Amino acid sequence: KAGVTQTPRYLIKTRGQQVTLSCSPISGHRSVSWYQQTPGQGLQFLFEYFSETQRNKGNFPGRFSGRQFSNSRSEMNVSTLELGDSALYLCASRTTNTGELFFGEGSRLTVL
Amino acid sequence: GQQLNQSPQSMFIQEGEDVSMNCTSSSIFNTWLWYKQEPGEGPVLLIALYKAGELTSNGRLTAQFGITRKDSFLNISASIPSDVGIYFCAGQDAGGTSYGKLTFGQGTILTVHP
Repeated sequence: KAGVTQTPRYLIKTRGQQVTLSCSPISGHRSVSWYQQTPGQGLQFLFEYFSETQRNKGNFPGRFSGRQFSNSRSEMNVSTLELGDSALYLCASRTTNTGELFFGEGSRLTVL
Repeated sequence: GQQLNQSPQSMFIQEGEDVSMNCTSSSIFNTWLWYKQEPGEGPVLLIALYKAGELTSNGRLTAQFGITRKDSFLNISASIPSDVGIYFCAGQDAGGTSYGKLTFGQGTILTVHP
C-alpha cells in the first residue's frame, strides 16, 4: 500500500510569491491534515480536511489555505510569502475511525 | 502555539543502553502517539495509546499512557545505531472532528554511539 505522497519535495520562492503544495493520502484515507515544521516552533497544526470540508484550523494567518478534492487528494496554498514561511510542510492522512496519523515526507519550502 | 513538554531535549548514549523519554501536558489528552523522524523524512508512527494506564510495546519500544492522561513515556531497550533520530510525542483531543489535530512535543534528539 503506497504511503502519503507529497509534491514537490523541494521548492524555492521569493517573498511576495505564492505556492501550492500537493498531497495524495493513503488509499482509503479520507482525512488529510497539514502541519508546518520549523526549528523554532516545531510541528504546528495548520488544518484538517475531511470529505472536502475543513474540519479544524490552527492558528495561522489567512494567507494559509487549503482544499480537498473528491478523491481525497489535498492542496495547500500560501499566498504573499514571507521569509518566516520557510519550513517543512507535512501532510498526514488517517482513516476515519482512529487517531493514527501517517505522514508524508514533506515539502521543503525556502523563501528568499 | 501550544506544545507539550518533552524531555530530555537530547540524549547521547552507547549502543546497548536503554533509553527513556517522557512528555507532560497541562491538558488532558484522549490519545498519545509517539513518532520518530529521520533527516529529510516525515515522522513515522511508532506507537499509539488510547487508554489511560495502557502499556504498549512495538519490538524494543514500550510506551505508556499516564494515569492522569496528562503524560506519556517511551522506553527503548538495548539501543542500536539505527535508533538515531528525533522522537516526538503527540497528544490528541477527543475524537470526532479533533482526531486530525495533534499537539506535538519539542522532540528528543537521540544519538547512539557504536
